[in-house]
Amino acid sequence: QVQLQESGPGLVKPLETLSLTCTVSGDSISDYYWSWLRQPPGKGLEWIGYIYYSGSTHYNPSLQSRVTISIDTSKSQFSLKLSSVTAADTALYYCARYKPPAFENWGQGTMVTVSS
Amino acid sequence: EIVLTQSPDFQSVTPKEKVTITCRASQSIGSNLHWYQQKPDQSPKVLIKFASQSFSGVPSRFSGSGSGTDFTLTINSLEPEDAATYYCHQSTSLPHTFGQGTKLEI
Repeated sequence: QVQLQESGPGLVKPLETLSLTCTVSGDSISDYYWSWLRQPPGKGLEWIGYIYYSGSTHYNPSLQSRVTISIDTSKSQFSLKLSSVTAADTALYYCARYKPPAFENWGQGTMVTVSS
Repeated sequence: EIVLTQSPDFQSVTPKEKVTITCRASQSIGSNLHWYQQKPDQSPKVLIKFASQSFSGVPSRFSGSGSGTDFTLTINSLEPEDAATYYCHQSTSLPHTFGQGTKLEI
C-alpha cells in the first residue's frame, strides 16, 4: 500500500517561496501522476498541479506563474515550490497520487502558514 | 474551468436515514465525476469513481449516479461514522476541480 508523507516548513514569510517535499513509500514512484493539492482552513480542496513520473507537469492556471513541481525518482520524492506567497496561500497542503481518474492516495497533509 | 456546485452545503441527519447529495457541473463532463469523503482531521478518501463505480473497500451503503451535468451521491442507512464532508471532483478537463463540499452532521 503506497504511503505519502509531506515535509517542509510550517511558517513562510510573505513574498518568500514555500517549499514542500513528499516522500513516497510502499510502491514505485515510476508510474502515475504525483500531485499537490491544498485546503485553506475551513474551506474546500484546490488542485495545485501534478507531475508525471517522466517529468511532464500540469499546473492549475490560477497558480501556474508561481508553481514548480519536480520529481526525484531515485529518492522516491517529489516537491512543490510556490513563490511570492501571501496570506491567501495559508492552507493545509496535501501530496497525493493521481491514478486516473481519481486522487486515490493522500498524505496526511502539512499546514503552512504565511505570516511575518 | 469547470465549476462544480454541491447541494446542500450542510445537512443535519440521523442514523439509519437515507441521504442524497447532489453535484452539478457547469458543463457536461460525461461520467468523469468522483466522490470523496473527508472526516475531521483526516485526508480525503475516494468513495466513488466514474459517477457510479464503488471504490475498493467502500461500504455498499454508498452509491452514485448521474451523467452529463447532474450527479448524486446516496448514502443508505446512515451510520454514525459517516459524519464527514463530502466532495465531488471532475477529471474531464484541466484544471481538476472540486465542489465546495457538503458537511453531514449526525
